[in-house]
Amino acid sequence: GAVVSQHPSRVICKSGTSVKIECRSLDFQATTMFWYRQFPKKSLMLMATSNEGSKATYEQGVEKDKFLINHASLTLSTLTVTSAHPEDSSFYICSARSWDTNEQFFGPGTRLTVL
Amino acid sequence: SQQGEEDPQALSIQEGENATMNCSYKTSINNLQWYRQNSGRGLVHLILIRSNEREKHSGRLRVTLDTSKKSSSLLITASRAADTASYFCATRGGGNKLTFGTGTQLKVEL
Repeated sequence: GAVVSQHPSRVICKSGTSVKIECRSLDFQATTMFWYRQFPKKSLMLMATSNEGSKATYEQGVEKDKFLINHASLTLSTLTVTSAHPEDSSFYICSARSWDTNEQFFGPGTRLTVL
Repeated sequence: SQQGEEDPQALSIQEGENATMNCSYKTSINNLQWYRQNSGRGLVHLILIRSNEREKHSGRLRVTLDTSKKSSSLLITASRAADTASYFCATRGGGNKLTFGTGTQLKVEL
């Protein structure tokens, strides 16, 4: 089956630093990738949708300059949390949609803790 | 954006019992999907039901969809301790984006 990986799985950083999270589709090409954020015991909230080679589309209330998304290839998207603060601590999940089947597959998530 | 509501928010049952979770949504959909999430992990796709389907089965899972009421239910029969997880419904609408429900935390006790 289709696999989406995320790296790192966990990251702890100091307030003010930037953190980059990678999302890769391992055995399929993804024209569209999605980034979600999840707070403890809460639902997944879509942050942004990125299409390969173009700018990401952010959901209302999500700061573009805070959460930088780059979808440089059909198998890789990155989310950079810039100048992270404790309130950015969360579980970030990426998802990739296969260009040929239109199915959407989810990564295992990245736990970000900002001290 | 549409946000599904799920109930109950939390459900605790004994192993062997059936677990039923409900999901309601607000706008028209192309399909509705159910996902499972173990604590601190990613999502596992369980089942998809299209808007023109009313019921679907997969192993111990049974999903119903009532588009007139904008609701769906997930039934897990003969539950096992390993079924303990959070369960989310997600709808795909005209914008082709998946929107998740609030989730039900299921605990199956031995």
